[in-house]
Amino acid sequence: NAGVTQTPKFQVLKTGQSMTLQCAQDMNHEYMSWYRQDPGMGLRLIHYSVGAGITDQGEVPNGYNVSRSTTEDFPLRLLSAAPSQTSVYFCASSSYRGETQYFGPGTRLLVL
Amino acid sequence: GDSVTQMEGPVTLSEEAFLTINCTYTATGYPSLFWYVQYPGEGLQLLLKATKADDKGSNKGFEATYRKETTSFHLEKGSVQVSDSAVYFCALRINAGNNRKLIWGLGTSLAVNP
Repeated sequence: NAGVTQTPKFQVLKTGQSMTLQCAQDMNHEYMSWYRQDPGMGLRLIHYSVGAGITDQGEVPNGYNVSRSTTEDFPLRLLSAAPSQTSVYFCASSSYRGETQYFGPGTRLLVL
Repeated sequence: GDSVTQMEGPVTLSEEAFLTINCTYTATGYPSLFWYVQYPGEGLQLLLKATKADDKGSNKGFEATYRKETTSFHLEKGSVQVSDSAVYFCALRINAGNNRKLIWGLGTSLAVNP
């Protein structure tokens, strides 16, 4: 099993550009989520999904969109990148009844 | 609201020293408690967990006991190694309905010197 995979590992964007961060899991997990990690701020939840076709906002959703058309994939879209979105982004998944969240290796994003 | 408070880092220890990282929580229900570890350049991974009061989670020489009376879940290890250098996150989850969201502490950075 690959677990949770994220692409790309690193990305540089210019202000105003859009992009999609990819996340996929092969564990048939219902629950998937996106976090951003910033120094001194810990992990903050951006969006999450409890199953295909169902998404909801977390703490810091502004500037990000998500969709969940399949169980496996949960892409995160930046609509118009801003320097404040410079961060490390982690995708995580867990089963509906599971206690453990499994994290991807992260995407480091720099917005100039 | 629900929250997690961890001791601030960075924590710097010599190899074989005793480690304690304090974690206290505020929760309205009966949470499950977790410690996650993030090694440099990697994603987080579960270190240990406890799902009810007085449970002790343990893994890789680390231990934490769920203390409802003091609302604490302190992480301990008797003898740290250089390979334990990482950031440690305490987290809780309220066990209610469909809620799978975790409430995170800010993380504590640990550096172990040889």
